[in-house]
Amino acid sequence: KNEVEQSPQNLTAQEGEFITINCSYSVGISALHWLQQHPGGGIVSLFMLSSGKKKHGRLIATINIQEKHSSLHITASHPRDSAVYICAVWRTGAQKLVFGQGTRLTINP
Amino acid sequence: GAVVSQHPSWVICKSGTSVKIECRSLDFQATTMFWYRQFPKQSLMLMATSNEGSKATYEQGVEKDKFLINHASLTLSTLTVTSAHPEDSSFYICRGGQDTEAFFGQGTRLTVV
Repeated sequence: KNEVEQSPQNLTAQEGEFITINCSYSVGISALHWLQQHPGGGIVSLFMLSSGKKKHGRLIATINIQEKHSSLHITASHPRDSAVYICAVWRTGAQKLVFGQGTRLTINP
Repeated sequence: GAVVSQHPSWVICKSGTSVKIECRSLDFQATTMFWYRQFPKQSLMLMATSNEGSKATYEQGVEKDKFLINHASLTLSTLTVTSAHPEDSSFYICRGGQDTEAFFGQGTRLTVV
């Protein structure tokens, strides 16, 4: 079993829909990243969380440390949000990022 | 946020030749740089960790003689794929940042023909 599990693996939605991507992890962490990878390959860190909730524009990320679970929400989704979203955790002690398998999001006009 | 500049963004080379990929930290000092490889539709796989002024740490199964890493300064880390073969064709990407930070380069798509 992977240390970081994401769901769903693939998600297709219509423009304007509310999107939720989930991430569960089984190890102790000091931080969690939500990353966005566009078709060209470049990766951007959208959020780094260690507790609570963060919001940036139409994106919201939450984390529940006790339940070892995080969610990424996109409100009013747009075709330009189409990308692979990756959950990555900074594993306590190991000093390394552990990646989920990614969620491929496609937003149709 | 901090910027890591990676070059080239894509490269095509012949089998047997070597390819050098550079990652520069533009507005911070990168004492550590992480190098990843990614196959199509798969997750990032850590290849090695480069440390400024010392030897890189390679992950299990990664050939250190094939993937040469140099981190000679606080702003530059390089990955050289030596004697490249078609199976080395992949997407390579670096990451810098202190502790839990994650600043990625733009990535390099390598095709070996």
